[in-house]
Amino acid sequence: DSGVTQTPKHLITATGQRVTLRCSPRSGDLSVYWYQQSLDQGLQFLIQYYNGEERAKGNILERFSAQQFPDLHSELNLSSLELGDSALYFCASSTDDSHNEQFFGPGTRLTVL
Amino acid sequence: AQSVAQPEDQVNVAEGNPLTVKCTYSVSGNPYLFWYVQYPNRGLQFLLKYITGDNLVKGSYGFEAEFNKSQTSFHLKKPSALVSDSALYFCAVRDTPYSGAGSYQLTFGKGTKLSVIP
Repeated sequence: DSGVTQTPKHLITATGQRVTLRCSPRSGDLSVYWYQQSLDQGLQFLIQYYNGEERAKGNILERFSAQQFPDLHSELNLSSLELGDSALYFCASSTDDSHNEQFFGPGTRLTVL
Repeated sequence: AQSVAQPEDQVNVAEGNPLTVKCTYSVSGNPYLFWYVQYPNRGLQFLLKYITGDNLVKGSYGFEAEFNKSQTSFHLKKPSALVSDSALYFCAVRDTPYSGAGSYQLTFGKGTKLSVIP
């Protein structure tokens, strides 16, 4: 158990809908990262927050957004969903030390029908 | 820009034999290198990292990795494979930020599926 929690575990929805994925980082970790894992694209970095502020953006679509709240939990919002958004979405957390590893949550499996 | 290559989609090895999972990287500065393992329907688990110092890094579950700067490689190794080592292995790299205010985002390879045959 990494100490990072994600809810829900599974999400099934229809095209055009909007969903919210939730992540709670390990106790004491200030940075939260979101990744998307799909068969064709592999593991792709989406976005990073540090202590409530956006620090870096990766391959995140404009239909996707995220935020980190004062209690440091983070939410990833996916809207106008398309079939191709079906994937595993991982959250990871770390302290902000430059060489510390990231700890990954169990993931949310999103299926868009 | 930083990148990682894992040239083998799949590696098969007999139980008890040594295993190697290959990784090469490209960065503009000094690399921070990581190996993660993913079991079916699970998140990624950290195995080991190279930051600086000794080129041979030891990690969890008997794994080790060798950093080779001239070959820009960071291959994962284990002297004696177990069936329970069968999983998906990811190499990742992070470039050291020049400004000190950069992101610590990781770039991952495509992953290598390791199958250990009894």
